[in-house]
Amino acid sequence: SAVISQKPSRDICQRGTSLTIQCQVDSQVTMMFWYRQQPGQSLTLIATANQGSEATYESGFVIDKFPISRPNLTFSTLTVSNMSPEDSSIYLCSVRTGGPNNEQFFGPGTRLTVL
Amino acid sequence: DQQVKQNSPSLSVQEGRISILNCDYTNSMFDYFLWYKKYPAEGPTFLISISSIKDKNEDGRFTVFLNKSAKHLSLHIVPSQPGDSAVYFCAASGSNYQLIWGAGTKLIIKP
Repeated sequence: SAVISQKPSRDICQRGTSLTIQCQVDSQVTMMFWYRQQPGQSLTLIATANQGSEATYESGFVIDKFPISRPNLTFSTLTVSNMSPEDSSIYLCSVRTGGPNNEQFFGPGTRLTVL
Repeated sequence: DQQVKQNSPSLSVQEGRISILNCDYTNSMFDYFLWYKKYPAEGPTFLISISSIKDKNEDGRFTVFLNKSAKHLSLHIVPSQPGDSAVYFCAASGSNYQLIWGAGTKLIIKP
């Protein structure tokens, strides 16, 4: 398994500002992901954070809006840029450890409210 | 296009009875299915999974059944306990290992 921590756990931000969310894993992992869960909806994959190269974004998400860093195998950041109320969501960091069950482990999430 | 569907947004079950959560999928290339449980203000936690080569996997009170011909899987929890009250997500993956998620079903266990 993997233990994942995220900072901050929650934040309230003003429209037009940016917030960087940090994700720390207790072991080295190859695959690291960022998800979003908007109110009443399922988890949506934003991007796969690649170590040493640019993140791979899913349809509907772009680097200018959600820049991601992955400087090493245990850490990643997601920035939500130029925020609007529609960005209010829970943002989750997730890792896959390569176990036989294809399991993914999730961080506790960052609850973001944009006013 | 929703490839993984959980058609029941909520389910209420009496404590001690069986809870059955359902999930349907459309992509026949999915070869692995997982169930996650999520409490409010926490990230999802892995519960149980099943490979497409099996039709049943059991782990304690949790059993997952897979019907490939119907593209349907279900999670059975028996007996249901108050601590099982949570949102349950079904997820599927194919050869690229990306998880496709259902919308979730909120399970409420009544005392």
